[in-house]
Amino acid sequence: KAGVTQTPRYLIKTRGQQVTLSCSPISGHRSVSWYQQTPGQGLQFLFEYFSETQRNKGNFPGRFSGRQFSNSRSEMNVSTLELGDSALYLCASSLVWQGGKQYFGPGTRLTVT
Amino acid sequence: LAKTTQPISMDSYEGQEVNITCSHNNIATNDYITWYQQFPSQGPRFIIQGYKTKVTNEVASLFIPADRKSSTLSLPRVSLSDTAVYYCLVGDSGAGSYQLTFGKGTKLSVIP
Repeated sequence: KAGVTQTPRYLIKTRGQQVTLSCSPISGHRSVSWYQQTPGQGLQFLFEYFSETQRNKGNFPGRFSGRQFSNSRSEMNVSTLELGDSALYLCASSLVWQGGKQYFGPGTRLTVT
Repeated sequence: LAKTTQPISMDSYEGQEVNITCSHNNIATNDYITWYQQFPSQGPRFIIQGYKTKVTNEVASLFIPADRKSSTLSLPRVSLSDTAVYYCLVGDSGAGSYQLTFGKGTKLSVIP
């Protein structure tokens, strides 16, 4: 069974731009969660989607948004990029939502200049 | 919001047992405690999950006291390949909405 895939793996953007990251979960998994990882703050929860609905949300500004499609694939969008948005963005999929065993993708390394 | 606390780093010699404790004071009543391992440039990898008492699988054990305000990951006889960062993850509904909260991670260095 293929693992969680994330595209692109690396991305360089300029301050003020917007970016869209993509995540394809393991086949059969309906929950997708997104995390931001930085050296200073560690792993921080962004949001969780299940059956195309956002079920839970972390403490991030409205510039961070996401969506999930009927095939469970998910996208995350960050608008008006700031330097502090530079991070590794990880997505994880699971069979159930809210605390199920999660399988993580390799992440997308976003650099904002 | 749950505050999870783990030691920042630990050193251990090969072959020793390593115990990493995570404190989580606002864990949601029905939520599980999950531990993950992360190597550089990779996403976290599931190690073990439990709700209460003790859980054991082929790679680790997880001890959870009755009040569930902490948990201890036990790695038996570590090897050099166990050098990684270990995270505990809990759900928290203390702020009115459910959030998944990772600890800051414990960097384990295994010494030959």
